[in-house]
Amino acid sequence: EIVLTQSPGTLSLSPGERATLSCRASQSLSSSYLTWYQQKPGQAPRLLIYGASSRATGIPDRFSGSGSGTDFTLTISRLEPEDFAVYYCQQYGGSPPRTFGQGTKVEIK
Amino acid sequence: EVQMVESGGGLVQPGGSLRLSCAASGFTFSSYEMNWVRQAPGKRLEWVSYISSSGSTIYYADSMKGRFTISRDNAKNSLYLQMNSLRAEDTAVYYCARERGYSYDSWGQGTLVTVSS
Repeated sequence: EIVLTQSPGTLSLSPGERATLSCRASQSLSSSYLTWYQQKPGQAPRLLIYGASSRATGIPDRFSGSGSGTDFTLTISRLEPEDFAVYYCQQYGGSPPRTFGQGTKVEIK
Repeated sequence: EVQMVESGGGLVQPGGSLRLSCAASGFTFSSYEMNWVRQAPGKRLEWVSYISSSGSTIYYADSMKGRFTISRDNAKNSLYLQMNSLRAEDTAVYYCARERGYSYDSWGQGTLVTVSS
């Protein structure tokens, strides 16, 4: 089973600042298999980034993803008020389970 | 508009059973692989089960094997999760999620399952 570890657990930033979120896999995986989701309180997750770096439909270009192998990054270039949420990475390996990271909460400083 | 609506959640005693449903609309349901994902209160997302578009291939997370059964009715545009021998640790919001490529591109709003005596 591939374990995903996200860091930091909480990121306290102000609107307009840059957010850098990390997702580390316990073994190398194809970039195609790494996805990022955003979840706000009381809501379902929303697809942000798939294939490690491709933005989903309707996602603003301030969101970007990068990385390969075991280290992946989600960057929010300038935080907007609506970006304060929890972000999860997920891997879709060749075999199940399809594991999620424990999440990074981006909170207003 | 793509829409998925879960139902069937509620309060159940340990050892009991529930059947969750997910009604899909706005897309060709029979063309998509589907999943159940759950989230315990304050916890991370946890993948539960997968079913292929035809229903011929099914996977479960280890802790659900033998207790949960995923199924679908493409004629009714519906996905199901039969949950038996429920435990307190199964308490969670259960989401149905449409799979596209290697990601889940659409999610329902979730249905809460509470296992408690």
